[in-house]
Amino acid sequence: DQQVKQNSPSLSVQEGRISILNCDYTNSMFDYFLWYKKYPAEGPTFLISISSIKDKNEDGRFTVFLNKSAKHLSLHIVPSQPGDSAVYFCAAIDTGRRALTFGSGTRLQVQP
Amino acid sequence: DTAVSQTPKYLVTQMGNDKSIKCEQNLGHDTMYWYKQDSKKFLKIMFSYNNKELIINETVPNRFSPKSPDKAHLNLHINSLELGDSAVYFCASSEGGQGYNEQFFGPGTRLTVL
Repeated sequence: DQQVKQNSPSLSVQEGRISILNCDYTNSMFDYFLWYKKYPAEGPTFLISISSIKDKNEDGRFTVFLNKSAKHLSLHIVPSQPGDSAVYFCAAIDTGRRALTFGSGTRLQVQP
Repeated sequence: DTAVSQTPKYLVTQMGNDKSIKCEQNLGHDTMYWYKQDSKKFLKIMFSYNNKELIINETVPNRFSPKSPDKAHLNLHINSLELGDSAVYFCASSEGGQGYNEQFFGPGTRLTVL
C-alpha cells in the first residue's frame, strides 16, 4: 500500500522556467513532510520540509505547498537550473512513528 | 569529510551466502537507519537505532540483523541471501529519533544476488 505517491515518474522543463513536482498521500496521520533530492550514485539529500500546521514554506528558489484537505503537496523550483536535474523524493512522517515514508520519486530534467 | 559512509559500495554475491554492509557517521548523531530501495525505486525503512537501541524494526525477514556497536556505527548483516534481496541499501543518521530531524544519507550499497 503506497501511502505516499508521486504519480509523475519524470518531468522535463526549460532552464529558467518553473518546475512543479507533485506528491499525494493517503495517511491522515502524516504531520510532517519533506523533499529530498538525489543525484545518481549518491544518497538522498534533504531539500525542504513543511509542518502540517503550515500551508507554505519557502527557501530560496524552492517552495513547498501543502493542501491538507486534498492530501497533496507540491514542490516549486523557480527559476529552474540545469544543476537541479535529479530525482526528487517526497517523504512524510506521522505522529508517534519515527520513520520516513517515501514516494517513488520524480526524475527532473532541466534543459539548458 | 564524508558525513555518512558505507562499505562496500557494490556487493555481488551468490544466493545462500552471508554478507555484511557497514555504516559509519561522523556527525555525532544518536540515531541511525537502514533503508532499502527496491526495483520500483521506493525507499523503505528497515531499521532504526537510537543510542544503540533498536527503535524501529519494520517487517523485515529475520535473515537481516542490524548491529550497532556504538552510536557512530550501524552494520547490516544478511544471512542466506536470496535473489529478492538485490537492491540498493542506504544508511542514514539524524540528531534525535523523532524523524522530524533532517536525515543524512550515505551513498548507498548496491547489492546484487546471483
